[in-house]
Amino acid sequence: EAGVVQSPRYKIIEKKQPVAFWCNPISGHNTLYWYRQNLGQGPELLIRYENEEAVDDSQLPKDRFSAERLKGVDSTLKIQPAELGDSAVYLCASTYGGTANTGELFFGEGSRLTVL
Amino acid sequence: LAKTTQPISMDSYEGQEVNITCSHNNIATNDYITWYQQFPSQGPRFIIQGYKTKVTNEVASLFIPADRKSSTLSLPRVSLSDTAVYYCLVGPSYNTDKLIFGTGTRLQVFP
Repeated sequence: EAGVVQSPRYKIIEKKQPVAFWCNPISGHNTLYWYRQNLGQGPELLIRYENEEAVDDSQLPKDRFSAERLKGVDSTLKIQPAELGDSAVYLCASTYGGTANTGELFFGEGSRLTVL
Repeated sequence: LAKTTQPISMDSYEGQEVNITCSHNNIATNDYITWYQQFPSQGPRFIIQGYKTKVTNEVASLFIPADRKSSTLSLPRVSLSDTAVYYCLVGPSYNTDKLIFGTGTRLQVFP
């Protein structure tokens, strides 16, 4: 079974440019998360989706970050415009929702963003 | 949400047993303890989860005392490939929504 797939793996952009990250969760996982991980730190939750609905976006900097999960499967995280402080690894994770949740998150390999 | 405290780093040698302790003094009754492992340039990977006493799988063992205010991840006979960051998380039973990753414990295994 394929794991969580993210792209691109690496992205280098200049500040003020837009950038987008894509995530394909494990088939059947209706809960999807976007995390940001700064160097030397643990992942920090940005947004959580239950199917196509964003049920927790309290940590998402909404002035420049946006996310969507059309049809409750793939998801896209966008930053516009990017700032130097946005340099980080952006991780996508998925799991079963509701009573099927086993307490285990499945992570992708992440998208490393460098803003110059 | 229960806060966790774990050592920033640990060193070991190949073949040794490594024990990483996590403190979670304000763990709630329905909280489970979950450990993740993260290699460089990869996302975290679930290792083990437990509620009380001892849990063992093919990768590790998790020891939880009766008061559940701490837990110990035990890695038997580590190898170089066990060099990674290990995160201890505490959260409601079978609910990943409230999991908070701390800075983790960076384990370095030497030959």
